[in-house]
Amino acid sequence: AQSVTQLDSQVPVFEEAPVELRCNYSSSVSVYLFWYVQYPNQGLQLLLKYLSGSTLVESINGFEAEFNKSQTSFHLRKPSVHISDTAEYFCAVRPSGGYQKVTFGTGTKLQVIP
Amino acid sequence: DAGVTQSPTHLIKTRGQQVTLRCSPISGHKSVSWYQQVLGQGPQFIFQYYEKEERGRGNFPDRFSARQFPNYSSELNVNALLLGDSALYLCASSKTALGEKLFFGSGTQLSVL
Repeated sequence: AQSVTQLDSQVPVFEEAPVELRCNYSSSVSVYLFWYVQYPNQGLQLLLKYLSGSTLVESINGFEAEFNKSQTSFHLRKPSVHISDTAEYFCAVRPSGGYQKVTFGTGTKLQVIP
Repeated sequence: DAGVTQSPTHLIKTRGQQVTLRCSPISGHKSVSWYQQVLGQGPQFIFQYYEKEERGRGNFPDRFSARQFPNYSSELNVNALLLGDSALYLCASSKTALGEKLFFGSGTQLSVL
């Protein structure tokens, strides 16, 4: 079984400041790792994913996440946030084999303050 | 191309009733998964269907059932509704059963009174 922990339920940050959203996971098998973003009244959108290879993955809108196997972490970072980044962010894992049972964390609400 | 579409967007039911939620995947996608998102929590996996067969099931009671049709659309049924079933129900599709990228619909908000 897998589990995901997002310790920060809310993160307020000023516009153009850097941000880090923390994610730790637990699994007895190898996993794929994901970050999803959910804007108000919308479904989830995939932000970025780690499947294998380089431990640093990037999204098209400036977010990046680094897979750290020894610390079982997959923290999300952005060097300079924008108002439009205000949303809820979910870290997720699924087994690298088998079916698509994705396990999500409880989410972190990022509030960008003008 | 249209994204994943779900209907209805909102639904109000009373305890003990039955409900059917519908999902149309992106054209060409053969896998559909269902998730329940209770307010303040992350989505929880309910089912995955691929090529009309159940490929996975989460930790939900037998009151929850689903099926997939030949056109790959899907229905989620919940019987004997409880207050705790109130949630946002999300449908996600992908091209294959093991596809890493899930495309989510906007969900059906179910309220059980």
